[in-house]
Amino acid sequence: EAGVTQFPSHSVIEKGQTVTLRCDPISGHDNLYWYRRVMGKEIKFLLHFVKESKQDESGMPNNRFLAERTGGTYSTLKVQPAELEDSGVYFCASSQGPGQGGNEQFFGPGTRLTVL
Amino acid sequence: RKEVEQDPGPFNVPEGATVAFNCTYSNSASQSFFWYRQDCRKEPKLLMSVYSSGNEDGRFTAQLNRASQYISLLIRDSKLSDSATYLCVVPGMNSGGYQKVTFGTGTKLQVIP
Repeated sequence: EAGVTQFPSHSVIEKGQTVTLRCDPISGHDNLYWYRRVMGKEIKFLLHFVKESKQDESGMPNNRFLAERTGGTYSTLKVQPAELEDSGVYFCASSQGPGQGGNEQFFGPGTRLTVL
Repeated sequence: RKEVEQDPGPFNVPEGATVAFNCTYSNSASQSFFWYRQDCRKEPKLLMSVYSSGNEDGRFTAQLNRASQYISLLIRDSKLSDSATYLCVVPGMNSGGYQKVTFGTGTKLQVIP
């Protein structure tokens, strides 16, 4: 069974540019999560989709970040315009079920974003 | 108090040693807990789940102390391949009743030959 995949694996852009990250969850997983790890800090929650709906986006840093999950399959996370502090590793995770309780989240390999 | 707190380490231990990490959490309502392992430049992967007082899997033992609100991970007979960062993950519920997890900063373990 294919795991969670993310594209690209690395992205280097200049401040002010736009970048779009993609996540393909495990097939059949309704829950899709985006996380970010800034260097030296803990992994932080950004948002949670249940199918195509944003269930919780309380972790989104500001309105420069836009996440979508069209059709409840893959998801994109767009950063526009990118700032230096957006650099970090962006992880996507997916899980089965309604998202309640302690369902295991399966993580993608992450996208390493560097903003120069 | 931080939601999830871990000693960042690094813990440098010789092969064969026993090492233990602690993780404290602030949400007394949390029911389940996870230890994830993250290798350098890789994604986190589930190592163990803890739903009651503890869980044991081979050389790994996770224990939960609800009264003191901490979980621990014990690794016996350390192997070189155990070198990684160990993340304490505490799920909770958001206002909509869905799972929301909080990560600790991770504890780095380096097993030395």
